[in-house]
Amino acid sequence: EDQVTQSPEALRLQEGESSSLNCSYTVSGLRGLFWYRQDPGKGPEFLFTLYSAGEEKEKERLKATLTKKESFLHITAPKPEDSATYLCAVEETSGSRLTFGEGTQLTVNP
Amino acid sequence: DVKVTQSSRYLVKRTGEKVFLECVQDMDHENMFWYRQDPGLGLRLIYFSYDVKMKEKGDIPEGYSVSREKKERFSLILESASTNQTSMYLCASTWGGDTQYFGPGTRLTVL
Repeated sequence: EDQVTQSPEALRLQEGESSSLNCSYTVSGLRGLFWYRQDPGKGPEFLFTLYSAGEEKEKERLKATLTKKESFLHITAPKPEDSATYLCAVEETSGSRLTFGEGTQLTVNP
Repeated sequence: DVKVTQSSRYLVKRTGEKVFLECVQDMDHENMFWYRQDPGLGLRLIYFSYDVKMKEKGDIPEGYSVSREKKERFSLILESASTNQTSMYLCASTWGGDTQYFGPGTRLTVL
């Protein structure tokens, strides 16, 4: 059974204080790993898809990386508007179902 | 841009009522999904559909049914709503096995 574990559950940063969120996964064969951002009361918003170990993708202050066992979402010099819950999900090669982690709730204080 | 819309942002229903939640996507996506999201439990898959008139059970289908009469529209039906179905309901769609795009969600309260 696919498993996705995100850590920490919650993270508080000061504006400008860089950090990383972790997503560890267990899957028989990885088709893709997805990062989403979710604001309170809204649907998840797609950020990145990573397909193979060593792959990296960037968008503004966010950078996602992938190894064979985990993914990191690096946040460089965060701003208060980066506050949200960040969700990680994996899709295995046998199908199009996603298995989600429970998310990391990020708060960036001004 | 992909657009997934859901019929209501907030809904309040009584126990025993039949409830319809509707989802529409405008990108000709083949696959559509219904999830519920609860604190501490994350997103859980209720039902999904690979094509018109096709449906597959997800991880928690009990108490729910679905309908997909047209490619762009996927409905979730609560046959007899119960208080434990109070939740945030999220619809998603995707082309093949690619990225799933989510709607804004429906916050359902069953009294």
